[in-house]
Amino acid sequence: KNQVEQSPQSLIILEGKNCTLQCNYTVSPFSNLRWYKQDTGRGPVSLTIMTFSENTKSNGRYTATLDADTKQSSLHITASQLSDSASYICVVSEGDAGNMLTFGGGTRLMVKP
Amino acid sequence: DAGVIQSPRHEVTEMGQEVTLRCKPISGHDYLFWYRQTMMRGLELLIYFNNNVPIDDSGMPEDRFSAKMPNASFSTLKIQPSEPRDSAVYFCASSEQGRRSPLHFGNGTRLTVT
Repeated sequence: KNQVEQSPQSLIILEGKNCTLQCNYTVSPFSNLRWYKQDTGRGPVSLTIMTFSENTKSNGRYTATLDADTKQSSLHITASQLSDSASYICVVSEGDAGNMLTFGGGTRLMVKP
Repeated sequence: DAGVIQSPRHEVTEMGQEVTLRCKPISGHDYLFWYRQTMMRGLELLIYFNNNVPIDDSGMPEDRFSAKMPNASFSTLKIQPSEPRDSAVYFCASSEQGRRSPLHFGNGTRLTVT
């Protein structure tokens, strides 16, 4: 069964600090891996999309890595801001069309001043 | 572009009533998805359309749920009759053709069935 596991479930950090969120997956056949940010009361917003051949992708202070051999990904947030407080969802796409998505349970991040 | 637009933002109804959720996708997007999000189960795909045609509805919980896409700019998700266990946030998302195309989500409809 295709699964996406994220850790930790929740995290509290101080403003200005860095943090790393983890994602392990067993989805096959792999198409791509996506990270989404979901603010409270809003829909998820795409941060990065990585295919099998890409091992790192940045979007501002967000940097995602992918190790397709170990089926692991991480999302690193640099110099955190209060607005980074949100849930971060790892999503793995399978198949040729890439339309079948398996969602992780998310990591809830709180950045405190 | 205004993004994916969903209505209503909140819906409170009594068990047994019919509920209709609405979605306007981003113009030019070929795919439209309906998701349900709960604390216990996270985001679950209910159904998706390609060029207005339903492709996979295997995630629709049961016959009480139905979805339509009469044209490229409008879709509905209907629950009849509604039950308390249907309480959740329902998201509509759209995307362009292509495996690397990101999903663009609306801000959801929070449904409460009492």
